[in-house]
Amino acid sequence: DAGITQSPRHKVTETGTPVTLRCHQTENHRYMYWYRQDPGHGLRLIHYSYGVKDTDKGEVSDGYSVSRSKTEDFLLTLESATSSQTSVYFCASTGTGELFFGEGSRLTVL
Amino acid sequence: DAKTTQPNSMESNEEEPVHLPCNHSTISGTDYIHWYRQLPSQGPEYVIHGLTSNVNNRMASLAIAEDRKSSTLILHRATLRDAAVYYCILRDVRNLPGANNLFFGTGTRLTVIP
Repeated sequence: DAGITQSPRHKVTETGTPVTLRCHQTENHRYMYWYRQDPGHGLRLIHYSYGVKDTDKGEVSDGYSVSRSKTEDFLLTLESATSSQTSVYFCASTGTGELFFGEGSRLTVL
Repeated sequence: DAKTTQPNSMESNEEEPVHLPCNHSTISGTDYIHWYRQLPSQGPEYVIHGLTSNVNNRMASLAIAEDRKSSTLILHRATLRDAAVYYCILRDVRNLPGANNLFFGTGTRLTVIP
């Protein structure tokens, strides 16, 4: 299995606070992605990266920013968390083949 | 943008074959058909992929229609561990990163009955 880990795995925070989720992969994959998963919506792409410092928006990018300063790390930041951002967040990485997903980060915004 | 259509849910008896359909009528010639599954409380995992020919691996088989507008994931003997949400997606590796070719949708929830 590809080494892809997310941290934290669980977080509870309050509305208006900043939150950063970290994704770390050890496969030297070029492409990395952040998805959110909510009941009835399946997996929705937030942002993705196609190289160090190269990122672009996905389907539901409002309220989120990302950064990729190293190949192995892809950070997702919620500058000011809102209750609508309560969700399970999945990170994924790939070369040109299959996607490898992390175990998910469950975020609750009160 | 090439996307897929799957039934919301299916049921199967344990140890019987399961055929999970996927329609992708707008598929392009360079789109690969990928299948992933998501077990409860886990991230999705890769199952199989193909371009034109049928494919087999240790987990499943993938049958692709001759016109490529549909495909079927076949689990030869369903076990309780196969209960999951199955996603059919299209990936054009020539156009990576291509956010539009990473659309997962809601998938098919497979229930396996003991």
